[in-house]
Amino acid sequence: GAVVSQHPSWVICKSGTSVKIECRSLDFQATTMFWYRQFPKQSLMLMATSNEGSKATYEQGVEKDKFLINHASLTLSTLTVTSAHPEDSSFYICSAPLGPGNTEAFFGQGTRLTVV
Amino acid sequence: AQSVSQHNHHVILSEAASLELGCNYSYGGTVNLFWYVQYPGQHLQLLLKYFSGDPLVKGIKGFEAEFIKSKFSFNLRKPSVQWSDTAEYFCAGGASGGYQKVTFGTGTKLQVIP
Repeated sequence: GAVVSQHPSWVICKSGTSVKIECRSLDFQATTMFWYRQFPKQSLMLMATSNEGSKATYEQGVEKDKFLINHASLTLSTLTVTSAHPEDSSFYICSAPLGPGNTEAFFGQGTRLTVV
Repeated sequence: AQSVSQHNHHVILSEAASLELGCNYSYGGTVNLFWYVQYPGQHLQLLLKYFSGDPLVKGIKGFEAEFIKSKFSFNLRKPSVQWSDTAEYFCAGGASGGYQKVTFGTGTKLQVIP
């Protein structure tokens, strides 16, 4: 199947710094990608929809100035957690569908962010 | 509002036991349904999906799920589990016809004891 790669797999950063997470579709083009966040013992919650060449669409309650999303090419979306705080520590996962309509989405391996 | 709920948070089974994990959904229109599995330290992987047609869907590794529209359910089943099935299982649903922006259930951790 198609491959979506996320980098880094885990990162530890200090409070107040920014962290960038990359999501790449390796063998297909993805005009749309999704960013999810998973808290311990909870489900994956959709944060935003990343659209190539245009602004991301954020879910209600997600701060767009804190979670900056850039989808500069058909194979790369980045999520930057700005001025990170310990409460931002979480597991972030991206996914990319093969296309519109009833198609499968492929997930990255996730990024474990720990803010200290 | 769109929602997906999973009833079992943690299930422990012995090898060769049968498995059924519950999933119920709430969607306004036609829905696509999925079961994903996450093995320790690995990506989310698609087990099976339902878009339309035969409500009994067969997936990888011997898993199957049945879409019962009248019950708003999409339960996952496997007749005989193996130790290697130990993982976390997520049910997910998305609106039919669009990009796969899905809503996930809370997940069920399955532990299979040899």
